Amino acid sequence: AQTVTQSQPEMSVQEAETVTLSCTYDTSESDYYLFWYKQPPSRQMILVIRQEAYKQQNATENRFSVNFQKAAKSFSLKISDSQLGDAAMYFCALRAGGTSYGKLTFGQGTILTVHP
Amino acid sequence: SAVISQKPSRDICQRGTSLTIQCQVDSQVTMMFWYRQQPGQSLTLIATANQGSEATYESGFVIDKFPISRPNLTFSTLTVSNMSPEDSSIYLCSVGLYNEQFFGPGTRLTVL
Repeated sequence: AQTVTQSQPEMSVQEAETVTLSCTYDTSESDYYLFWYKQPPSRQMILVIRQEAYKQQNATENRFSVNFQKAAKSFSLKISDSQLGDAAMYFCALRAGGTSYGKLTFGQGTILTVHP
Repeated sequence: SAVISQKPSRDICQRGTSLTIQCQVDSQVTMMFWYRQQPGQSLTLIATANQGSEATYESGFVIDKFPISRPNLTFSTLTVSNMSPEDSSIYLCSVGLYNEQFFGPGTRLTVL
C-alpha cells in the first residue's frame, strides 16, 4: 500500500516571498514518481512539477523547486517569488510502478493563500 | 501533453437517478482512470478502465454503483447509479502519457 501525507492543511505567504509545502510518502516500490499538482477554484488539476525517484537531482520548474529526500521519504515544494496566481490547493501525489502503474495516491492537500 | 474533455461539466440530479459522465482524450491511451473528489477532500481513485477488458475497481467501489465503459482507446464513460447526496462530488478522468498524468476538467455532481 502507498500513502502520502501533507501535514499542513493551510499555508499563507506574502506576495514575492518564498513558501515551502511539506509532503511525506511511503511505498515499497523502488520505481516511482512524485508529483505536485495545483488545483485552483476552477478545479482543473495542473501539474506543477514531477520528480523521478531514480534521479538524485531535485526537479526545478521556473519558480517551483522540490527538495527530494529519498531516504527520509520526503518531497517538499518550494515556491519562490510567490504570485497572487499561485493561490490554490496543492496536492502531493505518488505514482508507483509495478501493478500500481498509472495509479496516483494523493495527499490531503494544502490550501495556499497569497497575500498582496 | 494530452487534452482531456469531460461532459457534462456539472449537473444537479435527484436521488435515485443515474448520471453518465463522458471522457474524451485527444491521444490513444491504454489505461484511463476515474477519480472522485468529495467536497473539500483529496482525490480518490475509483477504477482503472482498460480498453477491451473489465474495469478494475479500488477497494470501496463496486461495478454496480459505478459501471464503466471503455469502447475504444480515446473514450470512456463512468455512470454514477442510484445516486444519493453522498455521491455529490467532482469526478475526474485521468490518463498517463509520457510519464505524466493528465486530468480532465472534472464533472461537478450535486445530488439533491
